[in-house]
Amino acid sequence: EPEVTQTPSHQVTQMGQEVILRCVPISNHLYFYWYRQILGQKVEFLVSFYNNEISEKSEIFDDQFSVERPDGSNFTLKIRSTKLEDSAMYFCASSEGGTQETQYFGPGTRLLVL
Amino acid sequence: QKEVEQNSGPLSVPEGAIASLNCTYSDRGSQSFFWYRQYSGKSPELIMFIYSNGDKEDGRFTAQLNKASQYVSLLIRDSQPSDSATYLCAVGRASGGSYIPTFGRGTSLIVHP
Repeated sequence: EPEVTQTPSHQVTQMGQEVILRCVPISNHLYFYWYRQILGQKVEFLVSFYNNEISEKSEIFDDQFSVERPDGSNFTLKIRSTKLEDSAMYFCASSEGGTQETQYFGPGTRLLVL
Repeated sequence: QKEVEQNSGPLSVPEGAIASLNCTYSDRGSQSFFWYRQYSGKSPELIMFIYSNGDKEDGRFTAQLNKASQYVSLLIRDSQPSDSATYLCAVGRASGGSYIPTFGRGTSLIVHP
């Protein structure tokens, strides 16, 4: 069964460093998303992406964040200068689109900023 | 501010019992409603979705939606210890050609043998 994959599973970085989180969405899906979940808190929407551009972004997704689909398969989230409060689990998701289509979540990348 | 509220629990039920999980939401324009299961340290896994008022059954799971009361619930029949997890309610609003879910904090369910 097709699934969303994410790499790395864990990432430890120093405050101020740049990190890139990678995702491979399900191949025939058109819509891609990033979410984050700070430990013990709720899942929060960051950004949605369609047709090679951002569809919508949340207040969390400030200038430190960017997304890119560098080729036909990968979807990346870059955090330019990490802060301690960026420590969280980051989930990528993809869907075929439509208001009733399931979003399939990847296993997540646990980011720890020291 | 669009809110999705859930009792954090834990909800503890004996094996074989019915577990009832509840969720309320604030945005009357919400169109789609989801229940996810999340094991500790893992990603959310979709269990059920419901779009129309009433009940929707899938195996041991029944989702109930009441848009007038802005209320969604999930019933788990014949609860098993493997059902022990955090259950996330999510409420979707249309965005472009897709939707954006707003998640609740989740209810922790413990099914004890």
